[in-house]
Amino acid sequence: SQKIEQNSEALNIQEGKTATLTCNYTNYSPAYLQWYRQDPGRGPVFLLLIRENEKEKRKERLKVTFDTTLKQSLFHITASQPADSATYLCALDTEPGGYNKLIFGAGTRLAVHP
Amino acid sequence: ETGVTQTPRHLVMGMTNKKSLKCEQHLGHNAMYWYKQSAKKPLELMFVYNFKEQTENNSVPSRFSPECPNSSHLFLHLHTLQPEDSALYLCASSQTKGQGNNEQYFGPGTRLTVT
Repeated sequence: SQKIEQNSEALNIQEGKTATLTCNYTNYSPAYLQWYRQDPGRGPVFLLLIRENEKEKRKERLKVTFDTTLKQSLFHITASQPADSATYLCALDTEPGGYNKLIFGAGTRLAVHP
Repeated sequence: ETGVTQTPRHLVMGMTNKKSLKCEQHLGHNAMYWYKQSAKKPLELMFVYNFKEQTENNSVPSRFSPECPNSSHLFLHLHTLQPEDSALYLCASSQTKGQGNNEQYFGPGTRLTVT
């Protein structure tokens, strides 16, 4: 069966450290993988998109890797800050057609402590 | 007003009521989406409209009825809901693929409680 797995347990790290979140999937062949941030009671906010032919993507303190052989994406936040505390969602784009059909993982909650 | 807006933000309704959720996007996108988010569960895609045509209906019960009168507006009509339908309902929009980036822009959601 198709599955997207993210660490269900919260990730607690100290301010200034690098946070690494994992997204594993099975029985999908996504053309794109996206990462979103969601704060409590709010809608998700897009962070980064990586294509199947890209190994790595960076944006400021964020870095995403995509290994289609391992069926895994890693999401890194360097020099983490308490303001980075949120739930981070990975999403696979499985629709080759004209719109985005995103399948979301359940998310990993990140808590950055001062 | 910018981005994606949703009204109401909170809704409490009885199982016999009829209500509607409204979503409006000011981004010029052609695709709009309804998602359901229950506690500790992934977002569940409910419906997709692309150029006002419904292209996805993920086995959603008929007590949820979507309507897309134009590319900027999306409604979700609710009737005879069940308590397990209580959740955060999120609307999103995106460009059509090939016309830009493929990310989705989400509204703030409607927190629905069915009593």
